Amino acid sequence: GQNIDQPTEMTATEGAIVQINCTYQTSGFNGLFWYQQHAGEAPTFLSYNVLDGLEEKGRFSSFLSRSKGYSYLLLKELQMKDSASYLCAVSDSNYQLIWGAGTKLIIKP
Amino acid sequence: GAVVSQHPSWVICKSGTSVKIECRSLDFQATTMFWYRQFPKQSLMLMATSNEGSKATYEQGVEKDKFLINHASLTLSTLTVTSAHPEDSSFYICSARLRENTEAFFGQGTRLTVV
Repeated sequence: GQNIDQPTEMTATEGAIVQINCTYQTSGFNGLFWYQQHAGEAPTFLSYNVLDGLEEKGRFSSFLSRSKGYSYLLLKELQMKDSASYLCAVSDSNYQLIWGAGTKLIIKP
Repeated sequence: GAVVSQHPSWVICKSGTSVKIECRSLDFQATTMFWYRQFPKQSLMLMATSNEGSKATYEQGVEKDKFLINHASLTLSTLTVTSAHPEDSSFYICSARLRENTEAFFGQGTRLTVV
């Protein structure tokens, strides 16, 4: 079957750095997406990786290793507004998005 | 990025009634839209894929007669929850992609409460 694993919850301090991991086992791979979802709102797109390596976008970076079935989202200079759930999604061989359960990130002052 | 608009944002209805949720792609044509349901503290669950001009493709376990999907044009898909019951209370979200391997853009979501 298809499976995506993320930690359920993480806690970090304002101004610090946090890394949210995602491992996947899917039938085929056509890219990995990270989304941010604040409580009660729809997800918003953060990043897309299809080749191995690091993609940097401001305070957020996303890394992919296809051979390991592994990705992480790195958030730097954490702000209180970064408190949200972070969803990892993989596009499989049929381009269907397979969603992880999400990681709830709690930022403390 | 592309804009997907969903309406209404929240709705309260009585048990046994039907509720229609609209999803519009405002600045692009979406031949395919997706309907998700999300329960508290859980991930997105794909309910069905809505195809313009043809029948929707439902995921296993989703009752097609209860969740009616119509994709009448390239910019509009609707989800109708028929004979709603309290267990149908959830957050319903639609999304659309410009092309097969691009990011999904989401509507604002609809919070449905059935009393």
